[in-house]
Amino acid sequence: EVQLVQSGGGLVQPGGSLRLSCAASGLTFRNYAMNWVRQAPGKGLECVSAINNNGDSTYYANSVKGRFTISRDDSRNTLYLQMGSLRPEDMAVYYCARVDWNYGGLSYWGQGSLVTVSS
Amino acid sequence: DIQMTQSPSSLSASVGDRVTITCRASRSISNYLNWYQQKPGKAPKLLIFAASSLQSGVPSRFSGSGSGTDFTLTISSLQPGDFATYYCQHSYGIPQSFGQGTKLEIK
Repeated sequence: EVQLVQSGGGLVQPGGSLRLSCAASGLTFRNYAMNWVRQAPGKGLECVSAINNNGDSTYYANSVKGRFTISRDDSRNTLYLQMGSLRPEDMAVYYCARVDWNYGGLSYWGQGSLVTVSS
Repeated sequence: DIQMTQSPSSLSASVGDRVTITCRASRSISNYLNWYQQKPGKAPKLLIFAASSLQSGVPSRFSGSGSGTDFTLTISSLQPGDFATYYCQHSYGIPQSFGQGTKLEIK
């Protein structure tokens, strides 16, 4: 059974940093591209970052470019999102999700990590 | 970037009703269109991929159609557990943007 288990959310002050982790099991992690999708309170879904299966191609939404870094450690079957210079508008639930080979749907999601940015 | 526009943004319906949600892409995405259901406090769940393919385990009352720029999600006979928010998402390259969502409420 495929599982994505997230950790690392919490309360951080504006300007602070936080790292989210997404530990994968039940799949050959190195074969899959992965996304980070966030959802601000009461709002819709936004893909903020993505990484291909090789780790050599990444995407960042304009809203986080230069502040967030996506990475993966295939030896640990783990995806990361390093978040820096956090702003109140970054406050959201962050989900990791696996990109399917066929047509790129997101069939497996982590449980979500709440990131609260407040002084 | 490709923009996805869903309509309506909210919808009231009754158990047993047939409902349709539409999604339009700002340019052609072939059939690289996915539909998700999200319930409060939960991660989204993939319902339909490739515009019309039913994800394993999803009831057959859910169906999708369309290609190019215009797509629909249809629920043939609403069940109590179907009241949720639905999102379309394209997977025609990066970024894989989502529609703004359609909240389906009980009438």
